Amino acid sequence: LAKTTQPISMDSYEGQEVNITCSHNNIATNDYITWYQQFPSQGPRFIIQGYKTKVTNEVASLFIPADRKSSTLSLPRVSLSDTAVYYCLVALDSNYQLIWGAGTKLIIKP
Amino acid sequence: ETGVTQSPTHLIKTRGQQVTLRCSSQSGHNTVSWYQQALGQGPQFIFQYYREEENGRGNFPPRFSGLQFPNYSSELNVNALELDDSALYLCALSSQINRGRETQYFGPGTRLLVL
Repeated sequence: LAKTTQPISMDSYEGQEVNITCSHNNIATNDYITWYQQFPSQGPRFIIQGYKTKVTNEVASLFIPADRKSSTLSLPRVSLSDTAVYYCLVALDSNYQLIWGAGTKLIIKP
Repeated sequence: ETGVTQSPTHLIKTRGQQVTLRCSSQSGHNTVSWYQQALGQGPQFIFQYYREEENGRGNFPPRFSGLQFPNYSSELNVNALELDDSALYLCALSSQINRGRETQYFGPGTRLLVL
């Protein structure tokens, strides 16, 4: 059974780069990896999605190694407003199960 | 601002009762997914609807059911409520079925408390 694993929490400081890694066993060839951000009392918000190698958008980068057993969300130069819970999501192409991690609570300090 | 609305925002029920939660948007997204999020945990996929039919289901019993209407609004119905059903229920809209590759736009959720 597919499962995703993330660190429970991380701390960093304003202006630093933050990397959050998600482990996903049993990921299949056509399964995509997506990251979402969630603030208290709000629904999750899409950050980035990838399939292999590296994807970059205006807010983050996503690194996926060749074996695809993990992925790393990279947030450049974080600010206090990046304090949130970050979720790694794997969409299983075989049965359309959406497997979410338990989330990483990221706290950014001044 | 996602443009996705859910109602009610909060709800208190007792064990054995039934509840209906609603989700709507003016955006025209034709696919809706429902999630259950217990406190301190990640969202758990309940099911997805596309063209008014269920298209994918997570590990939830049949007492969790749904509807999608021609205007793409949706309902989540839960019968015979149990204490463990207390959670935040999220709906998420997307524009296509492509095995999770589409971006999902989440509503703010309905907080359900079962006593």
